[in-house]
Amino acid sequence: GAVVSQHPSWVICKSGTSVKIECRSLDFQATTMFWYRQFPKQSLMLMATSNEGSKATYEQGVEKDKFLINHASLTLSTLTVTSAHPEDSSFYICSARKSSGGYTDTQYFGPGTRLTVL
Amino acid sequence: AQKITQTQPGMFVQEKEAVTLDCTYDTSDPSYGLFWYKQPSSGEMIFLIYQGSYDQQNATEGRYSLNFQKARKSANLVISASQLGDSAMYFCAMTGGFKTIFGAGTRLFVKA
Repeated sequence: GAVVSQHPSWVICKSGTSVKIECRSLDFQATTMFWYRQFPKQSLMLMATSNEGSKATYEQGVEKDKFLINHASLTLSTLTVTSAHPEDSSFYICSARKSSGGYTDTQYFGPGTRLTVL
Repeated sequence: AQKITQTQPGMFVQEKEAVTLDCTYDTSDPSYGLFWYKQPSSGEMIFLIYQGSYDQQNATEGRYSLNFQKARKSANLVISASQLGDSAMYFCAMTGGFKTIFGAGTRLFVKA
């Protein structure tokens, strides 16, 4: 199978603090990982794409200084929400793809992290 | 530009019956992949089925089948013999090249 883990599964923090979310591919090497954000009853919104060893590519409208992404290895990507505010409260989901590209590659998703900023 | 459209916000189906969830797409790329994912209330996204743009036959995975009509640009998901555990959100997605886009989703309710 293809298993992706995410940690933590939920986090509550105070406004102004930073939160780090980890995404790991457990049984495969993920050249590419994706970070999505999902608001209640809405679809997934792609935030950024990260490739191992290079800078992440952010979607239009996503603040790269606020949502720091690091893809340190072929099995780990992290998303850090810096100086979090209540409007950053959301469900964050990562996904990983086994190879470097191609329309046939399935994305496997982590279980998601529910962030609540007070 | 690529686009995925799911026009059914919600669907009801009787347990043990079949249900079709609609998905249409638009792309100018000749090579693309179509996916269906299930998202239960827990939030995780579960991969269900994949169809490549060059695949001649419709994809099937157990109770799931994808009705791929390339000329109409549709990729409907058919769930046979619905079960109570099938109640969830279902997302259609398309990958063209590097990026994947998702439809708005359809919430399926299975009635006992």
